[in-house]
Amino acid sequence: SQQGEEDPQALSIQEGENATMNCSYKTSINNLQWYRQNSGRGLVHLILIRSNEREKHSGRLRVTLDTSKKSSSLLITASRAADTASYFCANAGNNRKLIWGLGTSLAVNP
Amino acid sequence: DAGVIQSPRHEVTEMGQEVTLRCKPISGHNSLFWYRQTMMRGLELLIYFNNNVPIDDSGMPEDRFSAKMPNASFSTLKIQPSEPRDSAVYFCASRLAGSTDTQYFGPGTRLTVL
Repeated sequence: SQQGEEDPQALSIQEGENATMNCSYKTSINNLQWYRQNSGRGLVHLILIRSNEREKHSGRLRVTLDTSKKSSSLLITASRAADTASYFCANAGNNRKLIWGLGTSLAVNP
Repeated sequence: DAGVIQSPRHEVTEMGQEVTLRCKPISGHNSLFWYRQTMMRGLELLIYFNNNVPIDDSGMPEDRFSAKMPNASFSTLKIQPSEPRDSAVYFCASRLAGSTDTQYFGPGTRLTVL
């Protein structure tokens, strides 16, 4: 399978805590992207990290990329109830198709 | 700005019926993607178009599925005849030429085949 894999599959935390999700991929990448999906909605792009970058920040989001291990992590700091959603990683190869993981379901409890 | 528009949002049909899903990409985007999402298989790319031309349809499950993009602002995904195992949420996404591959998703069509 070309699909990436996120872990954990499900994560439940308290508001204010940090949430860390990991993603592994199998093919070479041009960039790796993280998306969020709220229940019943389409996916929304969160952040992109290029293959020559190791870390990137956007607000409360921090993404790391380790190309030697073919893995990435998404950290959400000071989580809020509104962060409850599923989070997907997708790696973009040279053919410009995105290969998607199965997602991590995050529940942030108030 | 309007995002990707999909219709209908929900479709319930009986096995054997023809189903047509519609998508209007973001104006100016030249790539369009059709995905299917289920709990078991996650998000699957069915087909994608560049400049209205189908580039990769390797994800189309079988001949019952067909997709067209007659112009830059409209695409359809048709299932004929539909089967219960086609029940899923179908997403359309579009992408801007020369971009970093970021895709913009529509709200999806939830299809239920009885």
